Amino acid sequence: AQKVTQAQTEISVVEKEDVTLDCVYETRDTTYYLFWYKQPPSGELVFLIRRNSFDEQNEISGRYSWNFQKSTSSFNFTITASQVVDSAVYFCALGFREFYFGSGTKLNVKP
Amino acid sequence: GAGVSQSPRYKVAKRGQDVALRCDPISGHVSLFWYQQALGQGPEFLTYFQNEAQLDKSGLPSDRFFAERPEGSVSTLKIQRTQQEDSAVYLCASSPRESALSNQPQHFGDGTRLSIL
Repeated sequence: AQKVTQAQTEISVVEKEDVTLDCVYETRDTTYYLFWYKQPPSGELVFLIRRNSFDEQNEISGRYSWNFQKSTSSFNFTITASQVVDSAVYFCALGFREFYFGSGTKLNVKP
Repeated sequence: GAGVSQSPRYKVAKRGQDVALRCDPISGHVSLFWYQQALGQGPEFLTYFQNEAQLDKSGLPSDRFFAERPEGSVSTLKIQRTQQEDSAVYLCASSPRESALSNQPQHFGDGTRLSIL
């Protein structure tokens, strides 16, 4: 069975702090894809990153970075120097044909 | 438009009524997905279309739920005899090509917020 766990329900930080959102997944397949999406209050899911199961190289995009560790089945997301505009719900997803989403982590960045 | 468009944005219905939710995917996108997102939860898969063919409907919660995409573009999700537990946001997503494995990011619409009274 496919399953994604985001244990952090809600995180609050003060602007400019770094914050890491955890994601742990379960799958028996050797080939799969992992995604992070951002859902602002408007409701639309905004694609942030895709990673395939064969590529464990970490990635950095501006203030965002992702740490994929296959050995621990984790795909964590770090925001450096957080900003108020980062406030949203963030979802980790395991992709096959359809996506399996975690329950999301609500990030509150306070000024 | 450039993105996935869903209508209506909000829908309120009385228990027992039928509702129809519309999704206009990005032009040319082959794959179309419907998800149900309950309050405080992540989206859950309902059904998948590749062009006009409904290849997977395993996520539909009951036979009251029906989806179609007759011409391979616009899709409609219909819920008959609505119940209070059907209240949720219904998200539509599309991706550019068919794939047995979803290596393409799915592009999501803003969703339809359905409230059953």
